[in-house]
Amino acid sequence: QSALTQPASVSGSPGQSITISCTGTSSDVGSYNLVSWYQQHPGKAPKLMIYEVTKRPSGVSNRFSGSKSGNTASLTISGLQADDEADYFCCSYAGSSTWVFGGGTKLTVL
Amino acid sequence: QVQLVESGGGVVQPGRSLRLSCAASGFTFITYAMYWVRQAPGKGLEWVAVTSNDGSNKYYADSVKGRFTISRDNSKNTLYLQMNSLRPEDTAVYYCTRKEHDAFDIWGQGTMVTVSS
Repeated sequence: QSALTQPASVSGSPGQSITISCTGTSSDVGSYNLVSWYQQHPGKAPKLMIYEVTKRPSGVSNRFSGSKSGNTASLTISGLQADDEADYFCCSYAGSSTWVFGGGTKLTVL
Repeated sequence: QVQLVESGGGVVQPGRSLRLSCAASGFTFITYAMYWVRQAPGKGLEWVAVTSNDGSNKYYADSVKGRFTISRDNSKNTLYLQMNSLRPEDTAVYYCTRKEHDAFDIWGQGTMVTVSS
């Protein structure tokens, strides 16, 4: 149950696009289309942004999109806004009713 | 509205026990698998335990297996986490969360557990 690998930090200017990667293994990300992404502002609970690799829950901006290739999933945020500054975590099903999260990426909007 | 509210956190000495509760409202609790996820200070999220909708199936992360027990009372719309033999590395904010579409769509505000002598 090793954590998924995410970059510690990414940054971008307002209006730009950024991508956050999430690398797992053939036992988790590579085996299941069950990757989700969560946004967490300081002191707040996580918020679901993407599920099943590419799907957005109702109410989440279409500036957020997800993808996957092999053992790596990605979250792209386009048209960066100040409120996007937060921590982002990926999560994948890992089989046998277990789940694994990434270590988190701090997004800074410059 | 759909809501999860955790309680029961606090400061506890290593080796002691604590029971967390999570009260659900605004949705049909009995139809959902429920999870506990924790976050150590300044760290990432860690899946801890899951119980199926009827409580018949339960699974645990290796880090807590044999020490923590997840349970639920569907008549009270409440999820529990019994934590025994607590260790300093169990110090974290504990969130309860609901699984929908194979993702965690609703989260509580979290309850802080500090294990320290």
